[in-house]
Amino acid sequence: GEDVEQSLFLSVREGDSSVINCTYTDSSSTYLYWYKQEPGAGLQLLTYIFSNMDMKQDQRLTVLLNKKDKHLSLRIADTQTGDSAIYFCAETPSDDYKLSFGAGTTVTVRA
Amino acid sequence: KAGVTQTPRYLIKTRGQQVTLSCSPISGHRSVSWYQQTPGQGLQFLFEYFSETQRNKGNFPGRFSGRQFSNSRSEMNVSTLELGDSALYLCASRINANEKLFFGSGTQLSVL
Repeated sequence: GEDVEQSLFLSVREGDSSVINCTYTDSSSTYLYWYKQEPGAGLQLLTYIFSNMDMKQDQRLTVLLNKKDKHLSLRIADTQTGDSAIYFCAETPSDDYKLSFGAGTTVTVRA
Repeated sequence: KAGVTQTPRYLIKTRGQQVTLSCSPISGHRSVSWYQQTPGQGLQFLFEYFSETQRNKGNFPGRFSGRQFSNSRSEMNVSTLELGDSALYLCASRINANEKLFFGSGTQLSVL
């Protein structure tokens, strides 16, 4: 995950919005993903965005993509305690089929 | 539709032993990938199989190997285990290359 960068920690109050940021490397990546990992569990595909889109909304989740800056963000509206987890950003570089992951952002939701 | 299934969920081995992990992909998915997750290195790609052929390989020693069967199920083998092999091993499947990747719950391997 050394090529995809994320901040490591985010603390948010319950009911507020969370914004997790990610910088990726390959402007030709077709898919950009957000995965969620809860303690002791695998990775859950939260949402994804095609590289030809600027924004995608899915219920409480909004993904914004800035291709010029290679910046991806995930906004979680009305953050709940169940949203406490590690969130991974991932890209699929054009010359490879494997996913490159960021180090993960640990989101802690406080009451 | 059942998700990606990995067995066993937990494994404890000692140095020098070998281990085999199993993965059953989502029905209809022909591609299976394996990733290693450790606190220090994060998520590292091991290899990917498609229609029984290894299509892509990460930067891991030859002690790490895998295979895929005709029903798309996959196994991963690690020989001569080292303490540093302790990790969560995640299997993922997708319909084809460049499609969305779905992960299993992982096998937590502890090497003592």
